[in-house]
Amino acid sequence: GAVVSQHPSRVICKSGTSVKIECRSLDFQATTMFWYRQFPKQSLMLMATSNEGSKATYEQGVEKDKFLINHASLTLSTLTVTSAHPEDSSFYICSASIAGGMDEQFFGPGTRLTVL
Amino acid sequence: AQKVTQAQTEISVVEKEDVTLDCVYETRDTTYYLFWYKQPPSGELVFLIRRNSFDEQNEISGRYSWNFQKSTSSFNFTITASQVVDSAVYFCALSEEDGGSQGNLIFGKGTKLSVKP
Repeated sequence: GAVVSQHPSRVICKSGTSVKIECRSLDFQATTMFWYRQFPKQSLMLMATSNEGSKATYEQGVEKDKFLINHASLTLSTLTVTSAHPEDSSFYICSASIAGGMDEQFFGPGTRLTVL
Repeated sequence: AQKVTQAQTEISVVEKEDVTLDCVYETRDTTYYLFWYKQPPSGELVFLIRRNSFDEQNEISGRYSWNFQKSTSSFNFTITASQVVDSAVYFCALSEEDGGSQGNLIFGKGTKLSVKP
């Protein structure tokens, strides 16, 4: 149980295009979903927290107009990287929590984005 | 200041050796959770353990064991009789009750463990 999927697993795009990454909780309903970014050989950094039906809360330094997050249902959250640039190339990982707050987070397998 | 410090950037051991990964955390909250995750080369985070701040009992799960000491703010992870499949990056993480957005995981920088045959 508690499986989280991400799609796509890898994406390569041209600079200036937008890319959408999906995060799905497959066997549970997620009140809260988190989006993390991990640069090569570095740690995971939280980008934003989203609760179903409400606007995402972004961490300091993360541009909300560039990284659009939608949490339209209890099983799906999407992250759209708009007008992607090479510096956005990274490993994006989502996690989902059943009850939110300090409840356990279940992580997706990650999406590797390469912007040419 | 770092809230989760993993001082060991890389560790290399030979198979069957025991290895301890250190984690030191910083928090003012009395209620918090500590985690360990494994990230193999595939990238997917594998949950290993979650420990709340009120439970200082050490835990053993097969070859894995954890030593939680509030007095030194440490939550160290030991792998006994290491195997090649243990090779991965290991992250320690902290979740605070009142740290801004409740429930956010604060990750350490990770320790890359290489187990050689």
